[in-house]
Amino acid sequence: DAGVTQSPTHLIKTRGQQVTLRCSPKSGHDTVSWYQQALGQGPQFIFQYYEEEERQRGNFPDRFSGHQFPNYSSELNVNALLLGDSALYLCASSFTSGSYSNQPQHFGDGTRLSIL
Amino acid sequence: GDSVTQMEGPVTLSEEAFLTINCTYTATGYPSLFWYVQYPGEGLQLLLKATKADDKGSNKGFEATYRKETTSFHLEKGSVQVSDSAVYFCALPGGKTGFQKLVFGTGTRLLVSP
Repeated sequence: DAGVTQSPTHLIKTRGQQVTLRCSPKSGHDTVSWYQQALGQGPQFIFQYYEEEERQRGNFPDRFSGHQFPNYSSELNVNALLLGDSALYLCASSFTSGSYSNQPQHFGDGTRLSIL
Repeated sequence: GDSVTQMEGPVTLSEEAFLTINCTYTATGYPSLFWYVQYPGEGLQLLLKATKADDKGSNKGFEATYRKETTSFHLEKGSVQVSDSAVYFCALPGGKTGFQKLVFGTGTRLLVSP
């Protein structure tokens, strides 16, 4: 049973470019959350997708956008990259039962994004 | 808003020593509480959880008890191994009721020497 998979593993971009990161959730999961983890810090919540819609968002600018597909996989897009966007981007999946979810989230190994 | 405070690291121990990593939280109500572990170069793995007051979560020799009186969820292990070297994160669900977004502490790095 595959867990959460993310691609690519590493990525190097320059300031002003755009990037797309991808995530496939764990089998049976329908909810995908994205987190940004700066070096030496805890993960910060970016947003969460359920039923192909963004249902919660953290304190991130509109440069950060996402999408969820019918097969529950998800993409994170970041436009106009800044040096400060360099971080490990983590995808987490979970299962939402009705309108309430208290299930722990399962994380992928992340995409390490470096901005030059 | 909801928040988690962890003791700063690194915590440096010798193999077989006793481990405590402190975690306190601020939250509305009594949320579930989690400990996640991050090994070098990897994502986060759920280590243990507790869903209500006085619950004790346990896994792989690690334990944590949900104390609502002190709003704490300290992580303990009786005898650490070199393989336990990692960063440990305390977390709770924040955000809108019923929609789980995790709020993490800053993490505590554990270094265990042989």
